[in-house]
Amino acid sequence: QVQLVQSGSELKKPGASVKVSCKASGYTFTSYGINWVRQAPGQGLEWMGWINTNTGNPTYAQGFTGRFVFSLDTSVSTAYLQISPLKTEDSAVYYCARGSGGGWDFDYWGQGTLVTVSS
Amino acid sequence: DIQMTQSPSSLYASVGDRVSITCRASQSISSYLNWYQQKPGKVPKLLIYGASSLQSGVPSRFSGSGSGTDFTLTISSLQPEDFATYYCQQSYTTPATFGQGTKVEIK
Repeated sequence: QVQLVQSGSELKKPGASVKVSCKASGYTFTSYGINWVRQAPGQGLEWMGWINTNTGNPTYAQGFTGRFVFSLDTSVSTAYLQISPLKTEDSAVYYCARGSGGGWDFDYWGQGTLVTVSS
Repeated sequence: DIQMTQSPSSLYASVGDRVSITCRASQSISSYLNWYQQKPGKVPKLLIYGASSLQSGVPSRFSGSGSGTDFTLTISSLQPEDFATYYCQQSYTTPATFGQGTKVEIK
C-alpha cells in the first residue's frame, strides 16, 4: 500500500536549520511528484511547492523562496525539505503529499512533522 | 494567484442533517477542484477530486458539484465521524491554493 513516512518532530533555535524527510513506499517514486504543505498552529493548509521526482526540479510558492529547499534521494525513494535559517514563524506542521491526477490532487499524505522554533 | 473562498467558515449541525459547503474561485478553474477533510490532530484526507469524483473508500454520503468558479461539497446525512474541518483546493494551476476551511461542529 502507498505510504509516505516522515521524520519525527524537531525543536530548533532561531537561526538553525532543519531537514525533514519523507520516505515513499508502495508505488514507483518517480511516477508522482511530491508536494509540501505547511499548517501553522490553528491555521489552514498552505501549499509550499513541489518537486518533480523525475527531474529533481523544484517549484516554490511565493513566500517559500530563499530559505526553503526541496531535494530528493531517489535511491531510497525519499524527498526532503530543508529550512535554513529558521525563524520562529516557521513553527508549524509540515506535510509531504503525493501529487496525483494532473499533479496537484494530493491523494496520499505523510503523517506530518512538527517543527518548533523557539529560543 | 487564484484565491479560494469557502463559506461558511463554520457551521453547527446535527447527526442526520444534510450539510453543504461552498467554495468560490477567483477565476475559472474548470473542474480542477478537490475537497479534503481534516480531523483535529490528523492528516488531511482527499474526499473529492475533479469537483465531483469520489476518492476510493470515501462514503457515498459525500458528493461534490460545480464547475467554473462555484463549487459545493454536500454531506447527505451527517455522521458523528464527519465532524471535522473541510478544505477546498484548486488543482488548475500553481500555486495550488486552498480555501480557508469550514469547521463542521456538533449542534
